[in-house]
Amino acid sequence: QQQVKQSPQSLIVQKGGISIINCAYENTAFDYFPWYQQFPGKGPALLIAIRPDVSEKKEGRFTISFNKSAKQFSLHIMDSQPGDSATYFCAAAGTYKYIFGTGTRLKVLA
Amino acid sequence: DTGVSQNPRHKITKRGQNVTFRCDPISEHNRLYWYRQTLGQGPEFLTYFQNEAQLEKSRLLSDRFSAERPKGSFSTLEIQRTEQGDSAMYLCASSPPGAANTEAFFGQGTRLTVV
Repeated sequence: QQQVKQSPQSLIVQKGGISIINCAYENTAFDYFPWYQQFPGKGPALLIAIRPDVSEKKEGRFTISFNKSAKQFSLHIMDSQPGDSATYFCAAAGTYKYIFGTGTRLKVLA
Repeated sequence: DTGVSQNPRHKITKRGQNVTFRCDPISEHNRLYWYRQTLGQGPEFLTYFQNEAQLEKSRLLSDRFSAERPKGSFSTLEIQRTEQGDSAMYLCASSPPGAANTEAFFGQGTRLTVV
């Protein structure tokens, strides 16, 4: 019940395309869902986050879609750029700790 | 204060030695977390402090691991009698006071290699 399942494991997108990463969770007690971007050798950086009372949140080129009934949420990166090439982690927060997905390695081709 | 600061950035140690890492959270963040990340995996929760109180510990945190936050500001994570399986990136994060679950900001991590 504590797992967060993330897919795909890797993703290749052309410059200007849309990158979509999906996550699913089991524990309905989770109440905060952030996405992190991580470059090699660096710590995760918070990109965008959502709470379950909202179905969508947009910040710049990044959008989270949230489906509470399906217990799924996804990250959409619009107009993907080579600089977006990184590993992306979804997470679900419960009882003061985050449970992270296994990560998606995104490569955006120039 | 521009973010969570972790020192050292890299540590190479021989098996059986003790190591200590330090984390300085963002000013006024009363919540502090330690995570461990191995290659190709997401961070795994180790422990959580609210001010100086250690409120939660993962079962991953064996008795060789100890964390402190003596004055509710910086924190240290000590690993005694290191093993090769302890090789990982150790990440510290902090959160502001407020809602139970809110944004957490991570440091750059300490990369530990046990040889």
